[in-house]
Amino acid sequence: ELKVEQNPLFLSMQEGKNYTIYCNYSTTSDRLYWYRQDPGKSLESLFVLLSNGAVKQEGRLMASLDTKARLSTLHITAAVHDLSATYFCAGSPTGNTGKLIFGQGTTLQVKP
Amino acid sequence: KAGVTQTPRYLIKTRGQQVTLSCSPISGHRSVSWYQQTPGQGLQFLFEYFSETQRNKGNFPGRFSGRQFSNSRSEMNVSTLELGDSALYLCASGKGPGSENYGYTFGSGTRLTVV
Repeated sequence: ELKVEQNPLFLSMQEGKNYTIYCNYSTTSDRLYWYRQDPGKSLESLFVLLSNGAVKQEGRLMASLDTKARLSTLHITAAVHDLSATYFCAGSPTGNTGKLIFGQGTTLQVKP
Repeated sequence: KAGVTQTPRYLIKTRGQQVTLSCSPISGHRSVSWYQQTPGQGLQFLFEYFSETQRNKGNFPGRFSGRQFSNSRSEMNVSTLELGDSALYLCASGKGPGSENYGYTFGSGTRLTVV
């Protein structure tokens, strides 16, 4: 059964700093998703990673996937306050592609 | 382009009652999945429907059920409500099997409070 674990669960950082959120998953996953959630809001899709070595970037966020290590990372470059949110990664079990298994979420707080 | 529409946005129910939540996916999307989000358990998959058929089901009791209509709109029903059912219920819209690379778009959710 696919399990997804994120760390850290909480991250407080200063504006301008870089940091990485890690997402480990336990068995093969067809693809890896990253979502952002603002307080009281829904989930906003950030990235869909499809294959080993995949790297995607959008603004100050860059996501990568290492299927051999069963690890995805979300790297934040020069953080700004607007990036404060909770970030979730999710995998989809092989053969159950319509089902997402989410990590616990990482709450990012960027201080001015 | 209209997004995923969930109704109602907020709901307060009493223990023992039942509730029906609705989700209209993005036009052209035929897959709808449902998730429960609570502070303690996080985001948990309930079920997924495609072309009016349940494709996947999570580990929830039989009190939780769903269906999908021919226009792809979906409803989920929770019977005999318990306090622990208080949660944000999110639905996700997708194109369907073979199009998972496009990801899923989530609605704004229905906040259910059971008193």
